[in-house]
Amino acid sequence: DAKTTQPPSMDCAEGRAANLPCNHSTISGNEYVYWYRQIHSQGPQYIIHGLKNNETNEMASLIITEDRKSSTLILPHATLRDTAVYYCIVRAPDNYGQNFVFGPGTRLSVLP
Amino acid sequence: SQTIHQWPATLVQPVGSPLSLECTVEGTSNPNLYWYRQAAGRGLQLLFYSVGIGQISSEVPQNLSASRPQDRQFILSSKKLLLSDSGFYLCAWSLQDYEQYFGPGTRLTVT
Repeated sequence: DAKTTQPPSMDCAEGRAANLPCNHSTISGNEYVYWYRQIHSQGPQYIIHGLKNNETNEMASLIITEDRKSSTLILPHATLRDTAVYYCIVRAPDNYGQNFVFGPGTRLSVLP
Repeated sequence: SQTIHQWPATLVQPVGSPLSLECTVEGTSNPNLYWYRQAAGRGLQLLFYSVGIGQISSEVPQNLSASRPQDRQFILSSKKLLLSDSGFYLCAWSLQDYEQYFGPGTRLTVT
């Protein structure tokens, strides 16, 4: 079972920031928060991950609350190509990866 | 840079026929390898993972098997396909770092 809860769908206007929330109230101290997205009929694409500090890369920013029970993925200027299903995953690093569980995710629609 | 390949991209097979899907990774050594399946409109389900040549772990009992004959090659097989085996099959790799990187996938339709 996925350890995260995400809204099933969201809309965002093109050019505006898209803020995708994720609840992970049972996260353990050694578990990271990962975000992936999947554009229709393609393999999932890694976006970003973090442990407790906020992270930013060329694709997005990840804001993790101080208690680590929730996080928000921010796409600063959404484009039509950002329309995809976004997955939030919590996972502890190990050599096997068997606990990389993808739930249903949030379907983000970027509207013109 | 690392690249992951999967083939074929699409496949239509009759019930009862065998299956062989191949995944190869370039640009890295000793990766962890994974097979996932995604049914229509659903999240990803981990099927198999491998931490080395000949080492396969299965997450769910099913009609499928996996093999890793070489360090960067991962094969998903079935002796007799079922209708329920239809889906989008994804191969992924990771190092002892944390993120997994996915291939383009194979869309399998069993008729």
